Amino acid sequence: DIQLTQSPSSLSASVGDRVTINCRASQGISNYLNWYQQRPGEAPKLLIYSASTLQTGVPSRFSGRGSGTDFTLTISSLQPEDFATYYCQQGFSSTLTTFGQGTRLDI
Amino acid sequence: QVQLQESGPGLVKPSQTLSLTCIVSGGSISSGSYYWSWIRQSAGQGLEWIGRFKTSGSTKYNPSLKSRVTISVDTSKNQLSLTLSSVTAADTAVYYCVRERPGSNWFDPWGQGTLVTVSS
Repeated sequence: DIQLTQSPSSLSASVGDRVTINCRASQGISNYLNWYQQRPGEAPKLLIYSASTLQTGVPSRFSGRGSGTDFTLTISSLQPEDFATYYCQQGFSSTLTTFGQGTRLDI
Repeated sequence: QVQLQESGPGLVKPSQTLSLTCIVSGGSISSGSYYWSWIRQSAGQGLEWIGRFKTSGSTKYNPSLKSRVTISVDTSKNQLSLTLSSVTAADTAVYYCVRERPGSNWFDPWGQGTLVTVSS
């Protein structure tokens, strides 16, 4: 199985801050890396797919980078609605897609 | 746009079979452009992919659940179904049905999720 390790596990920040969340794969996955946001009580929502492509309707303050084993999700200027948990997911192995353990972003 | 809505019993007894359905609206489940998957989320295991149904009729399951899982589609009802047999407390989770994009294997949209508790 391909393991995804996110860091940090939790993060405290303020409105207007720039934050970066990391996701490392246990083996190379090219750009088959997707990011999700989950607010409390809600289902996850797709933010970025294929490492760097913004899903339609997602604000441009979100961006993704990386290839191979190391990936980042950056929020350029935090807004109140961005405080949530973020997950990465690899689609390289279609026989067993896996998720990172999540990064909780708190105020 | 496509919307998904899960339904099923919120409480299942240990050793019994969990059965959930997902109604797809705003698009055809027969569309060849997508797969249809189930994902669950528990406090202990985080997000776990259960399996998928392809419109070709084939399925693929998580190896850790393969012996207990069946995913099927009723195209006349535009509905996806999940059965999980011999459940234990470890199967307690929120279950989501999701649309999956082949190739990149991203998931969008997600249903709202349904909590299933396994307890006697």
